[in-house]
Amino acid sequence: KQEVTQIPAALSVPEGENLVLNCSFTDSAIYNLQWFRQDPGKGLTSLLLIQSSQREQTSGRLNASLDKSSGRSTLYIAASQPGDSATYLCAVWDSGNTGKLIFGQGTTLQVKP
Amino acid sequence: KAGVTQTPRYLIKTRGQQVTLSCSPISGHRSVSWYQQTPGQGLQFLFEYFSETQRNKGNFPGRFSGRQFSNSRSEMNVSTLELGDSALYLCASSEPGGELFFGEGSRLTVL
Repeated sequence: KQEVTQIPAALSVPEGENLVLNCSFTDSAIYNLQWFRQDPGKGLTSLLLIQSSQREQTSGRLNASLDKSSGRSTLYIAASQPGDSATYLCAVWDSGNTGKLIFGQGTTLQVKP
Repeated sequence: KAGVTQTPRYLIKTRGQQVTLSCSPISGHRSVSWYQQTPGQGLQFLFEYFSETQRNKGNFPGRFSGRQFSNSRSEMNVSTLELGDSALYLCASSEPGGELFFGEGSRLTVL
């Protein structure tokens, strides 16, 4: 059974720092991996999708990498800003082309001005 | 392009009642999936519909059901509500194998 773990559970950093959020999964035979952001009381906003044949994806100040063999993904946030404060969730696809994701518990990030 | 729309956004029910939640996917998306989010269990998969057929089902009791219409809009129903059903219910839509896009959710409180 696939399990997804995110470390740390919470993180507080001063504005401007570069930071790394970690995601690990127990079954390396994943299809895709997707990173999301969730603001309090809101839905999920998609940040990056890494397809199974890819090693990384970049969008603005965000970079996500995927190492299936070691069961790990990292989300790198450059030059953090207070507006980056949110909960970050990673999710792996349970199988091919379905919409069933297995989510981690998330990392709650606070960026202090 | 409009995003995923969920209605209602908030609702309060009492134990034993039933509730129906609605989800309108992004235009052109035929896959709709539903998730339950609680502080204790996090995000858990409920079910997925594709072209009006349930393609996947999570580990939830039969009180949780859903359907999808020919226009891809989806509804989920929870019967005989229990206190533990209080949660944020999230709907997501996608193209087959594509990125999932979520709505803002329907927050259900069961008293």
